Amino acid sequence: AQSVAQPEDQVNVAEGNPLTVKCTYSVSGNPYLFWYVQYPNRGLQFLLKYITGDNLVKGSYGFEAEFNKSQTSFHLKKPSALVSDSALYFCAVRLTSGGSYIPTFGRGTSLIVHP
Amino acid sequence: DAGITQSPRHKVTETGTPVTLRCHQTENHRYMYWYRQDPGHGLRLIHYSYGVKDTDKGEVSDGYSVSRSKTEDFLLTLESATSSQTSVYFCAISHTTDTGELFFGEGSRLTVL
Repeated sequence: AQSVAQPEDQVNVAEGNPLTVKCTYSVSGNPYLFWYVQYPNRGLQFLLKYITGDNLVKGSYGFEAEFNKSQTSFHLKKPSALVSDSALYFCAVRLTSGGSYIPTFGRGTSLIVHP
Repeated sequence: DAGITQSPRHKVTETGTPVTLRCHQTENHRYMYWYRQDPGHGLRLIHYSYGVKDTDKGEVSDGYSVSRSKTEDFLLTLESATSSQTSVYFCAISHTTDTGELFFGEGSRLTVL
């Protein structure tokens, strides 16, 4: 079955350390993968996407994500975390259903960056 | 920021009453979506639209209906609200169905007593 998963409910990291938020997917055909961030009491904001091409995608606020086809993963990374990066992060994939592309989200990962 | 407004932003209602949430966009995007966000479930798709008068069901459509009579407006209706529909509802828009990112509204918090 087609799906997207975020295996961690919460990730804790110290400020200045690198961070990784994990995402795995299961889709038929080429995956269209996205990361979004949600700050408290706000809507989701687009960070970056992978459609095709270079496996390392760079996005907003210094975030990047690595597409790994063999491991069916699309992990979000940042070399040096900031306290202001603390938020809820969602991985999303376009799943095909009856000829339509349905944007489908993982359950979200809460990132907490400690000073 | 993308021009998306949701109204009302907050609503408290009683079980059995009808409720309509409105999503208005100024981007002229073809695709519009309604999601609900609940702890432990992330975002789940309720209904979506791929054009005026063209809508389809999502993962959790039971108890909800939608209408899109104009490109800019996408309405979500709860015909008879239940406590299980207490949630935060998000509208999103996209200019393409496959590779385009979604732009989200600020959300509508609905409490059904």
